[in-house]
Amino acid sequence: GAVVSQHPSRVICKSGTSVKIECRSLDFQATTMFWYRQFPKQSLMLMATSNEGSKATYEQGVEKDKFLINHASLTLSTLTVTSAHPEDSSFYICSARPAGTYNEQFFGPGTRLTVL
Amino acid sequence: AQSVSQHNHHVILSEAASLELGCNYSYGGTVNLFWYVQYPGQHLQLLLKYFSGDPLVKGIKGFEAEFIKSKFSFNLRKPSVQWSDTAEYFCAVGTSYGKLTFGQGTILTVHP
Repeated sequence: GAVVSQHPSRVICKSGTSVKIECRSLDFQATTMFWYRQFPKQSLMLMATSNEGSKATYEQGVEKDKFLINHASLTLSTLTVTSAHPEDSSFYICSARPAGTYNEQFFGPGTRLTVL
Repeated sequence: AQSVSQHNHHVILSEAASLELGCNYSYGGTVNLFWYVQYPGQHLQLLLKYFSGDPLVKGIKGFEAEFIKSKFSFNLRKPSVQWSDTAEYFCAVGTSYGKLTFGQGTILTVHP
């Protein structure tokens, strides 16, 4: 149980285009999902907290207009990287917190974004 | 703001050696502590967690960790590592807001 999927696993896009990444909790409901970014040889950096039915909360320094987050259902959150640039190339990981829990998070496999 | 520091970036051991990975955190409030593992090509998985109670926590695959409040530490240990333990290990702190702050990660390489 507690499986989180991400789609796509890899994406290559041209500079200036937008890319949508999906995060799904497959066998549980998640009122809260988190989006992280991981640079090579570095740790996971929290980008934003996504709450079902409400606006996402962004960490300091993360542009909310660039990284659009939608959490329309209890099993799906999406991250859209708008007008992507090469510096947005990174590994994006989502996690989902089961409804009724407090500090448990289950992680997706990540999405490798490469912007040319 | 909270921070997490892992002492070693890369640890190399032979099979059957004992393992201890250091983790120190900085946070003034009540914390929950986690160790996650990321095997090559796989997603993060929870190894063990500490919320309260016995400061010596046992996790999966023979791992354990000890919470020492006075030292702000949560070191991960395993008495005898296996080749299959080769992975990257992340210490994380969960705060009252439910967010996780991760350490830099420690790559463990176990030679057969």
